[in-house]
Amino acid sequence: ETGVTQTPRHLVMGMTNKKSLKCEQHLGHNAMYWYKQSAKKPLELMFVYNFKEQTENNSVPSRFSPECPNSSHLFLHLHTLQPEDSALYLCASSQEASENYEQYFGPGTRLTVT
Amino acid sequence: KNEVEQSPQNLTAQEGEFITINCSYSVGISALHWLQQHPGGGIVSLFMLSSGKKKHGRLIATINIQEKHSSLHITASHPRDSAVYICAVPPYSGGGADGLTFGKGTHLIIQP
Repeated sequence: ETGVTQTPRHLVMGMTNKKSLKCEQHLGHNAMYWYKQSAKKPLELMFVYNFKEQTENNSVPSRFSPECPNSSHLFLHLHTLQPEDSALYLCASSQEASENYEQYFGPGTRLTVT
Repeated sequence: KNEVEQSPQNLTAQEGEFITINCSYSVGISALHWLQQHPGGGIVSLFMLSSGKKKHGRLIATINIQEKHSSLHITASHPRDSAVYICAVPPYSGGGADGLTFGKGTHLIIQP
């Protein structure tokens, strides 16, 4: 399998549930990103990991918890979410965490919080 | 922080027309990205450029660093070009933060 994959592709969860989103890249990249895309809004950066170290947390609420066990895998752990957290969550990777490297995106997880 | 403005927000054109989408940003950058998002959400990187012009098939991207402006052109447009086109830049000048900040996107529809 090549490129950036995300699972699940669709997720419906209640506000009291705990779930995790998974991202995997097969490109040999060292940087991985989580982005959020809400309806009618631009893409927003959430977290950046470079060589497994978190380098950016864009003022994301603590109910979103990222984990990067190695350079190929990135998780987003979700707990006690709100309905306004319903959105498309996109993972991306690049050679390193710099604007000078092209980013490769996964297909996204469409999350609905009920 | 960099502010990104795209225009137009929506564009409907006939097949074969020449398309131009514009992007302006407020803070000096080293590279600008153009992305394409199809219905369903998948995003593809089209161009990353820091100066001049790049061409890939029927797509051309230009950037003027001094004027903080970039354009994406599509020649001989086709219905399969229908998508949202997004401009993205670093959030701050001179680095200092990883990741990108994005424009709101241009929703392009090419009618047969």
